[in-house]
Amino acid sequence: KAGVTQTPRYLIKTRGQQVTLSCSPISGHRSVSWYQQTPGQGLQFLFEYFSETQRNKGNFPGRFSGRQFSNSRSEMNVSTLELGDSALYLCASSLSGADLDYGYTFGSGTRLTVV
Amino acid sequence: GDSVTQMEGPVTLSEEAFLTINCTYTATGYPSLFWYVQYPGEGLQLLLKATKADDKGSNKGFEATYRKETTSFHLEKGSVQVSDSAVYFCALSDRTLVFGKGTRLSVIA
Repeated sequence: KAGVTQTPRYLIKTRGQQVTLSCSPISGHRSVSWYQQTPGQGLQFLFEYFSETQRNKGNFPGRFSGRQFSNSRSEMNVSTLELGDSALYLCASSLSGADLDYGYTFGSGTRLTVV
Repeated sequence: GDSVTQMEGPVTLSEEAFLTINCTYTATGYPSLFWYVQYPGEGLQLLLKATKADDKGSNKGFEATYRKETTSFHLEKGSVQVSDSAVYFCALSDRTLVFGKGTRLSVIA
């Protein structure tokens, strides 16, 4: 079956712009989580969506937002981009999120560079 | 909150050497523990897991044992290959996955 698909793979934006990243989970998976990966901070949790509702949220400013559609696809948006937002953004899907014991399936990520 | 600490890399080994990557955790409950691996240009892949104390997770020659008394989940492999070169992340489950900072492993032929 198809894996987790993230688009685009690479993105270059200018400070102050906004960006939208997309994630299509594995078919049948209803939970989508987003992580930011940087060399300095490692993997940091952004938020989790389940059945179109945000269920958990990490410690990021309000410039970071997300949503989930009825087909479980998810988007995350970053407004007023800063240089420090340059990172690899990873999306992970699972059946219900609560099945943490089985881990997540990750996409290959979107590499965002802010210049 | 819960946290994971793993040894800093990079770790450089010759092929067929023994590998240990240390991981310790802090948690208020009894989380499940995981090792994920990230190959260059890719996302994370689940390598192995353990869901309760004394469980041993294993996959592809890698092993890790959930040690509640030492709050550890060290990753080991008896004989590494060049293809094992990657970044390894220890993680625990706490409503979401909490990751360590990752350890880069380079295996030289």
